[in-house]
Amino acid sequence: SQQGEEDPQALSIQEGENATMNCSYKTSINNLQWYRQNSGRGLVHLILIRSNEREKHSGRLRVTLDTSKKSSSLLITASRAADTASYFCATDRAGANSKLTFGKGITLSVRP
Amino acid sequence: EPEVTQTPSHQVTQMGQEVILRCVPISNHLYFYWYRQILGQKVEFLVSFYNNEISEKSEIFDDQFSVERPDGSNFTLKIRSTKLEDSAMYFCASTVRGLDYGYTFGSGTRLTVV
Repeated sequence: SQQGEEDPQALSIQEGENATMNCSYKTSINNLQWYRQNSGRGLVHLILIRSNEREKHSGRLRVTLDTSKKSSSLLITASRAADTASYFCATDRAGANSKLTFGKGITLSVRP
Repeated sequence: EPEVTQTPSHQVTQMGQEVILRCVPISNHLYFYWYRQILGQKVEFLVSFYNNEISEKSEIFDDQFSVERPDGSNFTLKIRSTKLEDSAMYFCASTVRGLDYGYTFGSGTRLTVV
């Protein structure tokens, strides 16, 4: 089974609009993290939400976590062309040695 | 801001050759990882390393792979006899503690096996 499945797979929006990306997972987690990857580059940590948290903010980012539904969402408000990238959710599974399990990612395109 | 540094950025090697990918994690981090990403696919966990030993490895990390922290700063991934399917981006990551902290990833090494 897949851990950390994002949807949609691709999202195209106009600059200034909000972008919402969703992630579902299957096993119990310690935390869920979101990463950004610009084309051909490394992964940049955006935000981490712990399993006992429901919502977290960081600048224009808002992440929610619903452990009963095993899902998370990442909202980017007032998007900019520079937000164009792939976004991955990654889970740190409860009871396991620390390692991240990544989803397939969402490709976000922000049109200027 | 502290960075995880990986070298080389791109390596081309012939099938069957050995390659060593190098990483310098952030100095006060304790947990080290290698992940790989085949083009267009998911980022996959390879191995985690803590206290100078492997703490977990995936099924991908077979006998052809090994990791080492030879001098307290470098963290290397060796592939003994490369296969075509080893072509991927390899990312090194480190974190202060294993749980509840975000990871810092390097920019990756693109390995091309021909």
